[in-house]
Amino acid sequence: DVKVTQSSRYLVKRTGEKVFLECVQDMDHENMFWYRQDPGLGLRLIYFSYDVKMKEKGDIPEGYSVSREKKERFSLILESASTNQTSMYLCASQSTNEKLFFGSGTQLSVL
Amino acid sequence: EDKVVQSPLSLVVHEGDTVTLNCSYEVTNFRSLLWYKQEKKAPTFLFMLTSSGIEKKSGRLSSILDKKELFSILNITATQTGDSAVYLCATPRYNFNKFYFGSGTKLNVKP
Repeated sequence: DVKVTQSSRYLVKRTGEKVFLECVQDMDHENMFWYRQDPGLGLRLIYFSYDVKMKEKGDIPEGYSVSREKKERFSLILESASTNQTSMYLCASQSTNEKLFFGSGTQLSVL
Repeated sequence: EDKVVQSPLSLVVHEGDTVTLNCSYEVTNFRSLLWYKQEKKAPTFLFMLTSSGIEKKSGRLSSILDKKELFSILNITATQTGDSAVYLCATPRYNFNKFYFGSGTKLNVKP
Protein backbone atom coordinates (compact mmCIF):
# COMPACT_ATOMS: atom_id res chain seq x y z
CA ASP A 1 0.00 0.00 0.00
CA VAL A 2 1.06 3.55 -0.69
CA LYS A 3 2.14 5.41 2.38
CA VAL A 4 2.11 9.20 2.59
CA THR A 5 3.47 10.49 5.86
CA GLN A 6 3.09 13.98 7.23
CA SER A 7 5.51 14.81 9.96
CA SER A 8 3.12 16.49 12.40
CA ARG A 9 -0.49 15.78 13.25
CA TYR A 10 -1.01 19.01 15.20
CA LEU A 11 1.00 22.23 15.22
CA VAL A 12 0.53 25.47 17.12
CA LYS A 13 2.52 28.46 15.93
CA ARG A 14 2.57 32.17 16.53
CA THR A 15 1.89 34.90 13.99
CA GLY A 16 5.03 35.73 12.04
CA GLU A 17 6.78 32.41 12.62
CA LYS A 18 8.22 30.44 9.74
CA VAL A 19 6.51 27.06 9.51
CA PHE A 20 7.63 23.92 7.73
CA LEU A 21 5.24 21.10 6.93
CA GLU A 22 6.90 17.92 5.71
CA CYS A 23 5.48 15.15 3.58
CA VAL A 24 7.11 11.90 2.48
CA GLN A 25 5.76 9.25 0.12
CA ASP A 26 7.18 5.80 -0.43
CA MET A 27 5.91 4.89 -3.90
CA ASP A 28 8.22 6.82 -6.19
CA HIS A 29 5.32 8.98 -7.42
CA GLU A 30 6.28 11.95 -9.52
CA ASN A 31 3.29 14.13 -8.64
CA MET A 32 2.78 15.49 -5.14
CA PHE A 33 0.32 18.06 -3.85
CA TRP A 34 -0.41 20.31 -0.92
CA TYR A 35 -4.03 21.13 -0.12
CA ARG A 36 -5.69 22.99 2.66
CA GLN A 37 -9.11 22.01 3.90
CA ASP A 38 -11.49 24.43 5.56
CA PRO A 39 -15.11 23.88 6.61
CA GLY A 40 -17.50 24.65 3.78
CA LEU A 41 -14.70 25.27 1.30
CA GLY A 42 -13.53 21.74 0.63
CA LEU A 43 -9.99 21.01 -0.48
CA ARG A 44 -8.12 23.82 -2.16
CA LEU A 45 -4.85 23.30 -3.98
CA ILE A 46 -1.92 25.35 -2.74
CA TYR A 47 0.97 23.96 -4.81
CA PHE A 48 1.86 20.86 -6.65
CA SER A 49 5.11 19.37 -7.89
CA TYR A 50 5.53 17.11 -10.90
CA ASP A 51 9.19 16.25 -10.41
CA VAL A 52 12.21 17.07 -8.30
CA LYS A 53 12.72 20.85 -8.17
CA MET A 54 9.63 21.34 -10.36
CA LYS A 55 6.59 23.06 -8.93
CA GLU A 56 3.49 24.85 -10.02
CA LYS A 57 1.14 27.17 -8.19
CA GLY A 58 -2.30 25.95 -7.34
CA ASP A 59 -5.36 28.01 -6.63
CA ILE A 60 -4.25 29.67 -3.40
CA PRO A 61 -0.43 29.94 -3.35
CA GLU A 62 -0.22 33.33 -1.66
CA GLY A 63 1.70 33.19 1.59
CA TYR A 64 3.15 29.76 0.83
CA SER A 65 6.19 28.30 -0.87
CA VAL A 66 7.31 24.73 -1.46
CA SER A 67 10.45 22.70 -1.79
CA ARG A 68 11.08 19.40 -3.55
CA GLU A 69 14.74 18.48 -3.33
CA LYS A 70 14.14 14.74 -3.37
CA LYS A 71 11.43 12.80 -5.16
CA GLU A 72 9.93 11.34 -2.02
CA ARG A 73 9.74 14.58 -0.03
CA PHE A 74 7.58 17.64 -0.61
CA SER A 75 7.67 20.46 1.91
CA LEU A 76 5.24 23.32 2.40
CA ILE A 77 6.63 26.52 3.88
CA LEU A 78 4.73 29.35 5.48
CA GLU A 79 7.25 32.18 5.38
CA SER A 80 5.43 34.29 7.98
CA ALA A 81 2.43 32.53 9.45
CA SER A 82 -0.80 34.44 9.79
CA THR A 83 -4.03 33.62 11.60
CA ASN A 84 -5.87 33.09 8.31
CA GLN A 85 -3.54 30.18 7.61
CA THR A 86 -5.05 28.23 10.47
CA SER A 87 -6.32 25.16 8.68
CA MET A 88 -5.99 21.44 8.02
CA TYR A 89 -3.17 20.80 5.56
CA LEU A 90 -3.22 17.65 3.47
CA CYS A 91 -0.40 16.29 1.40
CA ALA A 92 -1.07 13.85 -1.44
CA SER A 93 0.83 11.91 -4.04
CA GLN A 94 -0.57 10.68 -7.30
CA SER A 95 -0.19 7.33 -9.00
CA THR A 96 0.01 6.89 -12.75
CA ASN A 97 -3.69 5.98 -12.91
CA GLU A 98 -4.63 9.38 -11.46
CA LYS A 99 -5.55 8.22 -7.96
CA LEU A 100 -4.55 10.51 -5.13
CA PHE A 101 -3.17 9.09 -1.91
CA PHE A 102 -3.37 11.36 1.09
CA GLY A 103 -1.37 11.80 4.24
CA SER A 104 -3.10 12.00 7.62
CA GLY A 105 -3.12 15.77 7.63
CA THR A 106 -1.61 18.47 9.82
CA GLN A 107 -3.97 20.65 11.82
CA LEU A 108 -2.17 23.98 12.06
CA SER A 109 -3.27 26.66 14.47
CA VAL A 110 -1.70 30.11 14.17
CA LEU A 111 -2.22 32.26 17.25
CA GLU B 1 -16.70 27.75 -14.80
CA ASP B 2 -15.72 24.20 -13.91
CA LYS B 3 -17.08 22.98 -10.61
CA VAL B 4 -18.04 20.00 -8.50
CA VAL B 5 -21.03 20.26 -6.17
CA GLN B 6 -22.00 17.76 -3.50
CA SER B 7 -25.29 17.40 -1.74
CA PRO B 8 -26.46 17.29 0.90
CA LEU B 9 -23.79 19.09 2.92
CA SER B 10 -24.62 17.01 5.95
CA LEU B 11 -26.84 14.10 6.81
CA VAL B 12 -27.87 12.36 10.01
CA VAL B 13 -29.27 8.82 9.84
CA HIS B 14 -29.69 5.82 12.12
CA GLU B 15 -27.91 2.53 11.83
CA GLY B 16 -29.48 0.31 9.23
CA ASP B 17 -30.69 3.17 7.05
CA THR B 18 -29.72 3.50 3.40
CA VAL B 19 -28.21 6.78 2.24
CA THR B 20 -27.55 8.32 -1.14
CA LEU B 21 -24.92 11.00 -1.57
CA ASN B 22 -24.84 13.15 -4.68
CA CYS B 23 -22.05 14.68 -6.71
CA SER B 24 -22.70 16.81 -9.77
CA TYR B 25 -19.97 18.16 -11.97
CA GLU B 26 -19.29 20.55 -14.80
CA VAL B 27 -15.76 20.14 -16.06
CA THR B 28 -14.00 20.49 -19.35
CA ASN B 29 -12.78 17.23 -20.89
CA PHE B 30 -14.20 14.99 -18.19
CA ARG B 31 -12.21 11.79 -17.70
CA SER B 32 -13.08 10.28 -14.34
CA LEU B 33 -14.75 10.86 -11.00
CA LEU B 34 -13.33 9.68 -7.70
CA TRP B 35 -14.97 9.14 -4.31
CA TYR B 36 -13.09 9.37 -1.02
CA LYS B 37 -14.03 8.73 2.61
CA GLN B 38 -12.48 11.01 5.21
CA GLU B 39 -12.68 10.19 8.89
CA LYS B 40 -10.46 12.04 11.36
CA LYS B 41 -7.48 11.38 9.20
CA ALA B 42 -6.46 11.00 5.57
CA PRO B 43 -9.11 10.72 2.88
CA THR B 44 -9.11 7.13 1.70
CA PHE B 45 -9.96 6.08 -1.82
CA LEU B 46 -13.30 4.38 -2.44
CA PHE B 47 -14.10 4.34 -6.15
CA MET B 48 -12.99 5.64 -9.49
CA LEU B 49 -15.66 5.91 -12.20
CA THR B 50 -14.98 6.48 -15.85
CA SER B 51 -17.84 4.84 -17.72
CA SER B 52 -21.46 5.86 -17.55
CA GLY B 53 -23.99 3.42 -16.17
CA ILE B 54 -21.53 0.92 -14.76
CA GLU B 55 -21.89 0.40 -11.03
CA LYS B 56 -18.85 0.00 -8.85
CA LYS B 57 -19.48 -1.96 -5.68
CA SER B 58 -17.55 -2.69 -2.53
CA GLY B 59 -19.48 -4.38 0.25
CA ARG B 60 -22.31 -2.08 1.35
CA LEU B 61 -21.02 0.80 -0.75
CA SER B 62 -21.77 1.30 -4.40
CA SER B 63 -21.43 4.12 -6.87
CA ILE B 64 -22.58 4.92 -10.37
CA LEU B 65 -21.86 7.62 -12.90
CA ASP B 66 -24.25 9.32 -15.31
CA LYS B 67 -22.20 11.14 -17.94
CA LYS B 68 -25.26 12.43 -19.73
CA GLU B 69 -26.71 14.15 -16.68
CA LEU B 70 -23.26 14.90 -15.23
CA PHE B 71 -23.57 13.39 -11.80
CA SER B 72 -22.58 10.48 -9.65
CA ILE B 73 -24.18 8.94 -6.59
CA LEU B 74 -22.68 7.02 -3.71
CA ASN B 75 -25.01 4.60 -1.98
CA ILE B 76 -24.45 3.09 1.42
CA THR B 77 -26.85 0.37 2.53
CA ALA B 78 -27.39 -0.89 6.08
CA THR B 79 -25.34 1.98 7.48
CA GLN B 80 -23.14 1.48 10.53
CA THR B 81 -21.64 3.98 12.95
CA GLY B 82 -18.29 3.34 11.30
CA ASP B 83 -19.64 4.89 8.12
CA SER B 84 -19.72 8.27 9.85
CA ALA B 85 -17.30 10.43 7.88
CA VAL B 86 -17.02 13.15 5.30
CA TYR B 87 -17.42 11.81 1.77
CA LEU B 88 -15.62 13.69 -0.95
CA CYS B 89 -15.93 13.49 -4.70
CA ALA B 90 -13.33 14.81 -7.11
CA THR B 91 -12.61 14.95 -10.80
CA PRO B 92 -9.32 15.66 -12.60
CA ARG B 93 -9.00 18.98 -14.34
CA TYR B 94 -8.13 19.38 -17.98
CA ASN B 95 -4.41 19.41 -17.28
CA PHE B 96 -4.58 16.06 -15.53
CA ASN B 97 -2.50 16.88 -12.50
CA LYS B 98 -5.02 18.90 -10.59
CA PHE B 99 -8.41 17.98 -9.20
CA TYR B 100 -11.67 19.71 -8.55
CA PHE B 101 -13.06 18.66 -5.18
CA GLY B 102 -16.56 19.01 -3.90
CA SER B 103 -17.00 20.49 -0.43
CA GLY B 104 -17.99 17.09 0.91
CA THR B 105 -21.01 15.49 2.57
CA LYS B 106 -20.73 14.95 6.30
CA LEU B 107 -22.54 11.75 7.25
CA ASN B 108 -23.38 11.02 10.87
CA VAL B 109 -24.75 7.54 11.60
CA LYS B 110 -26.35 7.28 15.02
CA PRO B 111 -26.70 3.99 16.91
